[in-house]
Amino acid sequence: DAKTTQPPSMDCAEGRAANLPCNHSTISGNEYVYWYRQIHSQGPQYIIHGLKNNETNEMASLIITEDRKSSTLILPHATLRDTAVYYCIVNPNAGGTSYGKLTFGQGTILTVHP
Amino acid sequence: GAVVSQHPSRVICKSGTSVKIECRSLDFQATTMFWYRQFPKKSLMLMATSNEGSKATYEQGVEKDKFLINHASLTLSTLTVTSAHPEDSSFYICSASGLAGGDTQYFGPGTRLTVL
Repeated sequence: DAKTTQPPSMDCAEGRAANLPCNHSTISGNEYVYWYRQIHSQGPQYIIHGLKNNETNEMASLIITEDRKSSTLILPHATLRDTAVYYCIVNPNAGGTSYGKLTFGQGTILTVHP
Repeated sequence: GAVVSQHPSRVICKSGTSVKIECRSLDFQATTMFWYRQFPKKSLMLMATSNEGSKATYEQGVEKDKFLINHASLTLSTLTVTSAHPEDSSFYICSASGLAGGDTQYFGPGTRLTVL
């Protein structure tokens, strides 16, 4: 499985955009990039996922580089409630021995401050 | 949509007893459910994968006789921690996906188990 590298922590001012990078240089063709976040003592919350194209939903935008070796999660207007651990995970969405499995790394602790 | 619940949210039990945790997909049919464990300040670790109507597949190092998993219906999976010991104290989290593991996984809120 492709592994991901994320900065251990980031800060962001409330109301500003939070840009969380993720490196996945060994990603293979059938692997999607998923983003989840975990607020303290809660289960992870799904944010967004993509394969090649940039994606946007009501929570965030996902920008994937053309070579697919890295991506950026963008929270356009961060609030205090966005303070959480953000996980970038690559996952084969079809086939393969790790089909459906999510391997969580250490993630990025995002702290949004007033 | 895509709501997953867990019950109980927290449980305290005595060493040697068994504890059952339920995971339910409330608004979709979950063909596959996953069970994770998370120790303090650590990331989630996958314990097992269960498909409705079949035996669970356990990750290496996870004792199947200690962590019994049943996925009897498309909306319910249970994890039973048998003969619990203090080292089993952890945060147990389930997730569910709708299409044989290939669809997005949605997570439950977690169950905090404390074994005295």
